[in-house]
Amino acid sequence: GAVVSQHPSRVICKSGTSVKIECRSLDFQATTMFWYRQFPKQSLMLMATSNEGSKATYEQGVEKDKFLINHASLTLSTLTVTSAHPEDSSFYICSAGGVAGASSYEQYFGPGTRLTVT
Amino acid sequence: DAKTTQPTSMDCAEGRAANLPCNHSTISGNEYVYWYRQIHSQGPQYIIHGLKNNETNEMASLIITEDRKSSTLILPHATLRDTAVYYCIARGSYGKLTFGQGTILTVHP
Repeated sequence: GAVVSQHPSRVICKSGTSVKIECRSLDFQATTMFWYRQFPKQSLMLMATSNEGSKATYEQGVEKDKFLINHASLTLSTLTVTSAHPEDSSFYICSAGGVAGASSYEQYFGPGTRLTVT
Repeated sequence: DAKTTQPTSMDCAEGRAANLPCNHSTISGNEYVYWYRQIHSQGPQYIIHGLKNNETNEMASLIITEDRKSSTLILPHATLRDTAVYYCIARGSYGKLTFGQGTILTVHP
C-alpha cells in the first residue's frame, strides 16, 4: 500500500513553455501533498505544501506565480511550471501525506519527474 | 524541527551490518526520528521511524539513545542495492520533512 505516482517521469520542454506534473496517491487519501525540488548532487528542498481544496503554502523564495499548485482532490495534486527556463531544469518530487493503513500520519514519496528545459 | 547531523559518507562490505549514526541533540519531546533513503534518480523511500523506543522492521533497526540526542540506523546485512543516500530527519507529528545532506552509503562487493 501507500503508493504515490507521478506523471510524466521525464519531460523535455522548450524555454518559455509551461509544463504540468501530476502527483497521485493510488491507494489512500492524501490530506496534504508536498512538492520538492532537487538539483544535481543536492538534497531535496521543499517548495510548497498543499491541502485539498485550499491554496498552497509556498516556502520562502519560491515564486507562487511561477510554480502553480492545484490540489483538487484527495488523490491528485498538480504542479505547473509556467514559462519554464533552463534554470528550472531539476528533479521534481511530490509526497502525499495521510493515513494509509497505519495509525500514524506519514508521508509517501512519488518516483520523481525529471524536467529538462532547453 | 530539530537539526540533524550525519557523516557525509560511509562504506560497508556486502553482507556486513551497516551502522549509520545521526546526531539530533536539540530534538524536542514530541519529535520523531525518521529515516529515509534515496537511490539515485528515485524518490525517497521510507525506512523506519521512532520516538523513544528502539524499533525494528523488515528493512532495518533503529536504536535511539536514552537521552534521544542521537540514533543509529542498522541495516543488518547490507547488499549492493542498499547503496543510497540515507537521510535522518527529526519531525513533529504533522511537521514538514526537512532534508539535510544525508549520508552516502556505498556497499562494496
